[in-house]
Amino acid sequence: GQNIDQPTEMTATEGAIVQINCTYQTSGFNGLFWYQQHAGEAPTFLSYNVLDGLEEKGRFSSFLSRSKGYSYLLLKELQMKDSASYLCAVRDSNYQLIWGAGTKLIIKP
Amino acid sequence: ETGVTQSPTHLIKTRGQQVTLRCSSQSGHNTVSWYQQALGQGPQFIFQYYREEENGRGNFPPRFSGLQFPNYSSELNVNALELDDSALYLCASSLGRGETQYFGPGTRLLVL
Repeated sequence: GQNIDQPTEMTATEGAIVQINCTYQTSGFNGLFWYQQHAGEAPTFLSYNVLDGLEEKGRFSSFLSRSKGYSYLLLKELQMKDSASYLCAVRDSNYQLIWGAGTKLIIKP
Repeated sequence: ETGVTQSPTHLIKTRGQQVTLRCSSQSGHNTVSWYQQALGQGPQFIFQYYREEENGRGNFPPRFSGLQFPNYSSELNVNALELDDSALYLCASSLGRGETQYFGPGTRLLVL
């Protein structure tokens, strides 16, 4: 079966750094996506990895290791507005997205 | 350039009824994917349409059906509504079948 695992909830302090992990087992791999979803809103695209390594985009970075079936999203200089759920999704061999349940990130002052 | 739009934003139906949800894709996007998201869960893939044809379907019963029009807008139809169909229904459009998906605001459906 296909499976994407993320921690259910994480707490961090404003101004700090947090790393959200994602492990996956899917039928084929054609890229991994991270989306941010604020409560009651639609997911918004954050990052895409298809090759191993780190992709940096401002305060957000995403890392991929295909051999380990592992990715992480790194958020730096946390702001209160970063409080949201972070969804990991893998594009499988049929080019369909398989989604994790999301990690709820709580930022405290 | 307008983003992905969905209508209605909220809907209340009773068990056994039928519902049609609508989605307008982002300009230039020819692919639309529909998802069901229950509270506290990740999106579950319903199906995808590419250039008016179904291009993949998730584990949903046949009472979930869809359509894509020549302008690439799309509809999701659900027949014989059940209480468990209560969820946020998300539509996402993309430039192609394997491209990054951009989501609309969703339709929140409540089945009583």
